[in-house]
Amino acid sequence: RKEVEQDPGPFNVPEGATVAFNCTYSNSASQSFFWYRQDCRKEPKLLMSVYSSGNEDGRFTAQLNRASQYISLLIRDSKLSDSATYLCAVRRYNKLIFGAGTRLAVHP
Amino acid sequence: GAVVSQHPSRVICKSGTSVKIECRSLDFQATTMFWYRQFPKQSLMLMATSNEGSKATYEQGVEKDKFLINHASLTLSTLTVTSAHPEDSSFYICTGGAYNEQFFGPGTRLTVL
Repeated sequence: RKEVEQDPGPFNVPEGATVAFNCTYSNSASQSFFWYRQDCRKEPKLLMSVYSSGNEDGRFTAQLNRASQYISLLIRDSKLSDSATYLCAVRRYNKLIFGAGTRLAVHP
Repeated sequence: GAVVSQHPSRVICKSGTSVKIECRSLDFQATTMFWYRQFPKQSLMLMATSNEGSKATYEQGVEKDKFLINHASLTLSTLTVTSAHPEDSSFYICTGGAYNEQFFGPGTRLTVL
């Protein structure tokens, strides 16, 4: 079993849709949690850190449930420019461990 | 944010040759940097932790004699893929930074013919 699991998608949604991504992690020693965005053939870019209290950045909301070892990302009012692969990542000690990513395609 | 550069951005080589990839932190000092590999449509897999002034720490399953890492200064880590073969073709990315934020290099796409 992979340490960080994500639904690979793809999620094909129309502009304006709300889409939710889920991620689970298996190691309870994981300390910090993140969502990254990766465009095709590029390096990942940090989208947001994830906290138990939940955090929001514009149209993006992230949530962490430590008891269930579950992380989520909600994107509201999807834009064409949101099309990318979204990577869940956990930090365990000094290492960042990534999920395989969920591909999002937003269409007109 | 902080800047990490990688060179080259793309390399095509023949099977059996060695390829060196450089990773530089341009505006911060990095005692630790990390090397990842990403195959098409797969996740970033951590290969090794590069430690300034000491030996790198390799993840399970990564051959240390094949992927040589040198971290001779606080701003430069190098990964050398020795005797590269087609199965080594991949996207190699380095990162460095503070505990709670890692800055990624732009990646090096290696194609071994």
